[in-house]
Amino acid sequence: EADIYQTPRYLVIGTGKKITLECSQTMGHDKMYWYQQDPGMELHLIHYSYGVNSTEKGDLSSESTVSRIRTEHFPLTLESARPSHTSQYLCASAGTGDYNEQFFGPGTRLTVL
Amino acid sequence: GQNIDQPTEMTATEGAIVQINCTYQTSGFNGLFWYQQHAGEAPTFLSYNVLDGLEEKGRFSSFLSRSKGYSYLLLKELQMKDSASYLCAVMDSNYQLIWGAGTKLIIKP
Repeated sequence: EADIYQTPRYLVIGTGKKITLECSQTMGHDKMYWYQQDPGMELHLIHYSYGVNSTEKGDLSSESTVSRIRTEHFPLTLESARPSHTSQYLCASAGTGDYNEQFFGPGTRLTVL
Repeated sequence: GQNIDQPTEMTATEGAIVQINCTYQTSGFNGLFWYQQHAGEAPTFLSYNVLDGLEEKGRFSSFLSRSKGYSYLLLKELQMKDSASYLCAVMDSNYQLIWGAGTKLIIKP
């Protein structure tokens, strides 16, 4: 079973603040992903990485950036938070599982006032 | 465009059987996944199909027909803890997952 961690679990901040959502995994997975999910809606891919120093944007333009300096760490940064960024953010990783399935962290629930 | 369709909500009785359908239209196909997501929690992997046919795993089974762009998840001997959303996701030609909005399954005693 994959171990993947996200902090903080809950965050309430004001408009215009810069925030970083942390994601770490201990399985040595090369592939990591950030998703945004609103209640009752599908997951939308924001960013992904297939290895160190490799990052790509997903199909959702969220005005965020990511970095992948170490295999286990994949932080997401919002330079200037807005109320439209209020959502659940899920980090996932995939490695050499039988089906290349993605394992998810517990998520960060972000509220921007 | 790419599209995954699932019913929004289903209700079933404890001990019964329920089938959750998923139809898809994607650019390429590299497998279909089913995930379970309890309210407020992260999705957890249930099953994977890449060839036509039925895959059985305990109380859960998943079926795929690639020619019809169709899959279903079958849950037997329903338990109250099976109350959750069930997400269908297809891996497209770029090996990215395209997600459905999920089916909320309500189990009644």
